[in-house]
Amino acid sequence: KAGVTQTPRYLIKTRGQQVTLSCSPISGHRSVSWYQQTPGQGLQFLFEYFSETQRNKGNFPGRFSGRQFSNSRSEMNVSTLELGDSALYLCASSLAGTDSRGAQYFGPGTRLLVL
Amino acid sequence: QQPVQSPQAVILREGEDAVINCSSSKALYSVHWYRQKHGEAPVFLMILLKGGEQKGHDKISASFNEKKQQSSLYLTASQLSYSGTYFCGTEKSGGATNKLIFGTGTLLAVQP
Repeated sequence: KAGVTQTPRYLIKTRGQQVTLSCSPISGHRSVSWYQQTPGQGLQFLFEYFSETQRNKGNFPGRFSGRQFSNSRSEMNVSTLELGDSALYLCASSLAGTDSRGAQYFGPGTRLLVL
Repeated sequence: QQPVQSPQAVILREGEDAVINCSSSKALYSVHWYRQKHGEAPVFLMILLKGGEQKGHDKISASFNEKKQQSSLYLTASQLSYSGTYFCGTEKSGGATNKLIFGTGTLLAVQP
């Protein structure tokens, strides 16, 4: 099976712009989670989608949003970019359903640099 | 609240053993362990569920003490390939979500 794919892999934006990142989960995985990774804060949970519904959200401002499509592909959007948004954005997919926990399989990430 | 991992970093020689600890201040349903090599994505190692037994994967095993909200990862007879940053991810009791709160990470370097 193909792994989790994320596009683009690298992105350079300027403050105030917005950005959309894409994630394609492993075939059959319906849960997609997004994380922000920075040297100072580590891996931080952004949100999780399951069957096109946001099931959980981390402590990030409303500038960070996401959605999931019927084929389980997911996008996250960051509006009004700030310098502090520079990070590696990781997407992870899982088989876990409504009453079970499962391993999360991470994509290679999108490295975002905000200038 | 972010779980606390210890130690922050450890250097080993090939063949030596190591233990990485993960502690949470909240009741936990499960603990996940991942390894991330430099410039790569985190890779799943194992999950320990509340009420579950100690798990093992080759020479890497882990335990989960529910009463103390602690998990430990045991690396036996370390190999060069074990080098990387190890993260525990914790999931609170209740709910049907995959919200993982990751620890600060433990950097493991295995030298020849």
